[in-house]
Amino acid sequence: AQSVTQLGSHVSVSEGALVLLRCNYSSSVPPYLFWYVQYPNQGLQLLLKYTTGATLVKGINGFEAEFKKSETSFHLTKPSAHMSDAAEYFCAVSDRTSGTYKYIFGTGTRLKVLA
Amino acid sequence: ETGVTQTPRHLVMGMTNKKSLKCEQHLGHNAMYWYKQSAKKPLELMFVYSLEERVENNSVPSRFSPECPNSSHLFLHLHTLQPEDSALYLCASSQELLAGAQEQFFGPGTRLTVL
Repeated sequence: AQSVTQLGSHVSVSEGALVLLRCNYSSSVPPYLFWYVQYPNQGLQLLLKYTTGATLVKGINGFEAEFKKSETSFHLTKPSAHMSDAAEYFCAVSDRTSGTYKYIFGTGTRLKVLA
Repeated sequence: ETGVTQTPRHLVMGMTNKKSLKCEQHLGHNAMYWYKQSAKKPLELMFVYSLEERVENNSVPSRFSPECPNSSHLFLHLHTLQPEDSALYLCASSQELLAGAQEQFFGPGTRLTVL
């Protein structure tokens, strides 16, 4: 079965600084990879996803992620953090078992942006 | 209403109570899901419905009983719950049953506390 590891349950950055949230997955086949964001008191919202093709994926709100097969990683970055980026971020991989795809989620990383 | 809505947003219940969580999606999707979100744990997929038919039940205790009367509504009936069932319960939908790279749309969740 596939798994997802998010390093760092809490990350703090200063406003304007680089955001880097780490995600590693285990998979024996090329995966579909996702980043979701959860703002306080809201459900999860898709930031971006990797399916095939270009390994650098751009998402909403200035976020992007790079699929690195050799490192089994899909880290999320944003050049300059805004206060509004404070939220919890989830990495997920699409796993197919019993003929049905489903998401395997990481445990999440809570991002704090300091003024 | 737009997107995926869930009611109630907060629920406190005793272990002998019976209550129900409601989810409604306004997106015309054919697949709906229940997830459990507990602190410091990955999202746990509980149930999957496609066109009102349950297609997956991830070893969820029988004290949780789902119901999908039509493709827009999903319920989770609760009875004789345990304190460890306290969590955020998220409903999600997708256009079709997940086919690898489909986006799921999440509701804001119901925060359940079992006393």
